[in-house]
Amino acid sequence: AQSVTQPDIHITVSEGASLELRCNYSYGATPYLFWYVQSPGQGLQLLLKYFSGDTLVQGIKGFEAEFKRSQSSFNLRKPSVHWSDAAEYFCAVGDRGGKLIFGQGTELSVKP
Amino acid sequence: DVKVTQSSRYLVKRTGEKVFLECVQDMDHENMFWYRQDPGLGLRLIYFSYDVKMKEKGDIPEGYSVSREKKERFSLILESASTNQTSMYLCASSPGLAISTDTQYFGPGTRLTVL
Repeated sequence: AQSVTQPDIHITVSEGASLELRCNYSYGATPYLFWYVQSPGQGLQLLLKYFSGDTLVQGIKGFEAEFKRSQSSFNLRKPSVHWSDAAEYFCAVGDRGGKLIFGQGTELSVKP
Repeated sequence: DVKVTQSSRYLVKRTGEKVFLECVQDMDHENMFWYRQDPGLGLRLIYFSYDVKMKEKGDIPEGYSVSREKKERFSLILESASTNQTSMYLCASSPGLAISTDTQYFGPGTRLTVL
């Protein structure tokens, strides 16, 4: 069965530090992969997505993610975190029928 | 900008009540989705719709039904609300151009409490 695991429930980083959020998926075929962000009190917003081509994907707000088939991973990175990045981050895999299967989410806190 | 609106941000209902959650999108999207979001579980798909009057069960449809009479509106119905349906409910829509890779656009959510 398809599944997505985000091993870190909560991460705290200092402002200006680099960030990596982990995502592992289980999917039989080539996956369609997404990262969404949910700021407090708001709906989810797409950061980036991967479905083919270059395995390093650039997104909005300075985020990027790398698809590694051998590790079944799609980790999200940002070189320098801003206080406004504090939010909950969700990784998702899409099936051929258009359904998204979401991970449990990682809550990011940013220390001044 | 795509806008997905949900009728209420907060809702409190009593056990056994019939509850309607409304979602409207203004971008002529083909597909619409209802999710519930619970801490530690992420988002789980309840129902989705590819077209007017069409619906498909998601992963957790029990206790819920949906209605899509017009393209822009997708309603989630709790026939008889129970306390275990206390949750955040999120509506989303997507264009329908390429179903597997379409971006889904989310509303702000309705936090439902069932007493």
